[in-house]
Amino acid sequence: DVKVTQSSRYLVKRTGEKVFLECVQDMDHENMFWYRQDPGLGLRLIYFSYDVKMKEKGDIPEGYSVSREKKERFSLILESASTNQTSMYLCASARAGSPNNEQFFGPGTRLTVL
Amino acid sequence: QKEVEQNSGPLSVPEGAIASLNCTYSDRGSQSFFWYRQYSGKSPELIMFIYSNGDKEDGRFTAQLNKASQYVSLLIRDSQPSDSATYLCAVNIYNAGNMLTFGGGTRLMVKP
Repeated sequence: DVKVTQSSRYLVKRTGEKVFLECVQDMDHENMFWYRQDPGLGLRLIYFSYDVKMKEKGDIPEGYSVSREKKERFSLILESASTNQTSMYLCASARAGSPNNEQFFGPGTRLTVL
Repeated sequence: QKEVEQNSGPLSVPEGAIASLNCTYSDRGSQSFFWYRQYSGKSPELIMFIYSNGDKEDGRFTAQLNKASQYVSLLIRDSQPSDSATYLCAVNIYNAGNMLTFGGGTRLMVKP
């Protein structure tokens, strides 16, 4: 059974804190993604990684960075959390090679920045 | 203008009816189109994808693609209350690897 896990379901942080969101997949997928989901805005891509140590900016990378040191793990980092980063964060993974390959999503982390 | 547009709804249909969900996209280089279902408080899960013009059927679900008019739709036959969810349309643009652009989603409510 395919699985994408995220380190926390709920997280509360203070403005200015450094925040780490972890994502792990057990499907040996090459591609991994971080999205945020806000009401009325759908899912917006923050960063994408197609291989270990490789990353590409998505639509809204400002205020975020990522790390992919191992194939199965993709981390999202908020260097200095701000209240406008309060959101649901979703990680996904997909096999490379075809644009038809499904993205599998983790359960999400609801982050609140106070 | 958003690249992928969906009516946010809610779309309300009676149980047993056909639910029709629509999505338009702006990039003519788009090559694959996905429908994800998201229950409240859950993560999206793939229902089906389509990449050729015409219809693709899977059980009660039919995806329809018209590249000339730049729209894709999802029909749900014999709608059930368990189909009540938000349906997300996602588009893969040529040469974008597996990157998807999502619409805002349409909330569907199926009333018993």
